[in-house]
Parts: sequence; C-alpha cells; structure tokens
Amino acid sequence: EAQVTQNPRYLITVTGKKLTVTCSQNMNHEYMSWYRQDPGLGLRQIYYSMNVEVTDKGDVPEGYKVSRKEKRNFPLILESPSPNQTSLYFCASSTDRASSPWTDTQYFGPGTRLTVL
Amino acid sequence: AQTVTQSQPEMSVQEAETVTLSCTYDTSESDYYLFWYKQPPSRQMILVIRQEAYKQQNATENRFSVNFQKAAKSFSLKISDSQLGDAAMYFCAYRSGLNYGGATNKLIFGTGTLLAVQP
Repeated sequence: EAQVTQNPRYLITVTGKKLTVTCSQNMNHEYMSWYRQDPGLGLRQIYYSMNVEVTDKGDVPEGYKVSRKEKRNFPLILESPSPNQTSLYFCASSTDRASSPWTDTQYFGPGTRLTVL
Repeated sequence: AQTVTQSQPEMSVQEAETVTLSCTYDTSESDYYLFWYKQPPSRQMILVIRQEAYKQQNATENRFSVNFQKAAKSFSLKISDSQLGDAAMYFCAYRSGLNYGGATNKLIFGTGTLLAVQP
C-alpha cells in the first residue's frame, strides 16, 4: 500500500529538549516536504527536498532542520523546541515534476501533534 | 507571491442539502493547479478534487464539483446531497505550474472552512 508514515503521532515535550519527527514514504518519490498547520493559518511549508541531499527552506523554516540521506526518509529536527512550535505537522511526498510519468498527487502522512511546554 | 483566501471560517448545511464553499486566490501565473482537501476529525488530509487552470471545464467528482472562474480567480466547491461524513475542515490549495526549484510541488493553502452537517 502506498503510504507516508510519521512517528510519533503525538508528542508532548519541554522547551529546549531536542526532538526528531520521522517521515518515511514507500513510493520512491523524489519530492518530500514538511508543513505545519495552525488554527487560522492553514498549512504552511517548513522545508522541502527535491531528492537525496537536496533540501531547501520553505516559508517558515526558523527553528527547524531537515536532512535527506535516503530517498525514502525525511526527518524533521527541532534542535531547541519552543512553545511557538506547538502545532500539527504533516509530511508529504510526490513525484518530481521532471519525472515520467508525473502526477500532481501529493501524499500526506497522518500528522504529528506536537506540544511544547 | 501567491495567496489563497477562504473567507468563510465556518459553514453549516442540513443533511441532503447543497452547500458551496468559497475560495479566491491571487497569482500572476497563467499555469497552475487548484485543489480542495478535506480534513476530517482524524486529521488525515484527503484530496477531494483538483482543477488544472488550462482546462475550462469544471471538475466533478461524484457529489463534489467546482466552479472555476479563472478571470475572477475564484474556485468554489459545491457539495451536493450533503452527508454526515462530509463534516470536516476543507482547505483550498494552489500549486504553481512552474517547473523549477521549490515551486515544483509546493502547495499554498487557505485558512480552511469548517463544515458542519446537521442531521
């Protein structure tokens, strides 16, 4: 089954304690990205990756890091979480526009609810 | 920069009735894609319907259809014969047709409309 998985699904942590949210896809997609969802703001892109070792900032990258060492995995790292990073996080993946065949379908993970106290 | 606006934070509809959710967007591009996503209480993002800007015909998926007005930059979602399972947050999203860098697959979302379905 084609899917994007995220772990953990729920996390409560304290300010300053480093954490990693994992994301994995089994569709051999080149493109992966992270979004955060906040009430009244919709979803906003944090970081994206166009392939292994190719990552770049999205619209709200401050306080986050990512890496893409394997094509299937795209972890989101919060080195020193703060309360304003309390949010719902989504990982998404899709084929690169240059791929053939290309589909515009983005596959979303189930979401990770993060609370930073 | 592109923006997506959903001016209705909440909507309500009676079961079996029809409801229309509004979405407007701003872009200088001529080639782009528009989407409606449904987010039920499970929080999963579910693609409801998509529209390619170059297609004049409005997309339809069963009880869901769109009214795409390119000149007005409007993309509304109509849900016919509403069902209790349609209750969810609905997001309108934009995707550039450009094929470079970060624009390739990035979705720009509106703020969402919370739809309640009354039995």
